[in-house]
Amino acid sequence: NAGVTQTPKFRVLKTGQSMTLLCAQDMNHEYMYWYRQDPGMGLRLIHYSVGEGTTAKGEVPDGYNVSRLKKQNFLLGLESAAPSQTSVYFCASSSTGYTGELFFGEGSRLTVL
Amino acid sequence: AQRVTQPEKLLSVFKGAPVELKCNYSYSGSPELFWYVQYSRQRLQLLLRHISRESIKGFTADLNKGETSFHLKKPFAQEEDSAMYYCALGNTGGFKTIFGAGTRLFVKA
Repeated sequence: NAGVTQTPKFRVLKTGQSMTLLCAQDMNHEYMYWYRQDPGMGLRLIHYSVGEGTTAKGEVPDGYNVSRLKKQNFLLGLESAAPSQTSVYFCASSSTGYTGELFFGEGSRLTVL
Repeated sequence: AQRVTQPEKLLSVFKGAPVELKCNYSYSGSPELFWYVQYSRQRLQLLLRHISRESIKGFTADLNKGETSFHLKKPFAQEEDSAMYYCALGNTGGFKTIFGAGTRLFVKA
């Protein structure tokens, strides 16, 4: 039972490079989320999706784009990476949105030099 | 504005001592509150939610709407309780959950 899987788990980028983080869930959940975790700031919501083909901005969306072409996948893209985007990124999914349990991936540690 | 405040970044207690992790929230509607825990080298997972009113691993949390608080308590801390704890607020509109900054609990032998 894989649950929520994130790839890659680690990545080092140079400023200005682009990359995509992939989140896949096998629980048939409607809702998917991307958070970033920074020391002293907890988890902050970047973008989220309430269903296939939909996306919405969270608290800190600038510099990121997302897509949800398939229900099971939620992609987070960085078009031009900046050192301020060095963080640990977590994907989560839920069957019932804000009232339900969030199931998290293992996290992706991104370093931008 | 919807907000979750965890005033303590680090809480250190001795094994067997009571522990209380504080959480205050700001929300004008009817809140859904959760505690999530992240043990070392493990993924973030749900510990408990206020609507279930259950005790998980000896932890309990009571929603106090008057004080807008949802503090997490355990009467006798164990070393295996050492972890990062996040308080979270759901039902904020737009289907999203907001997290506090987290409290790292360290239980000393």
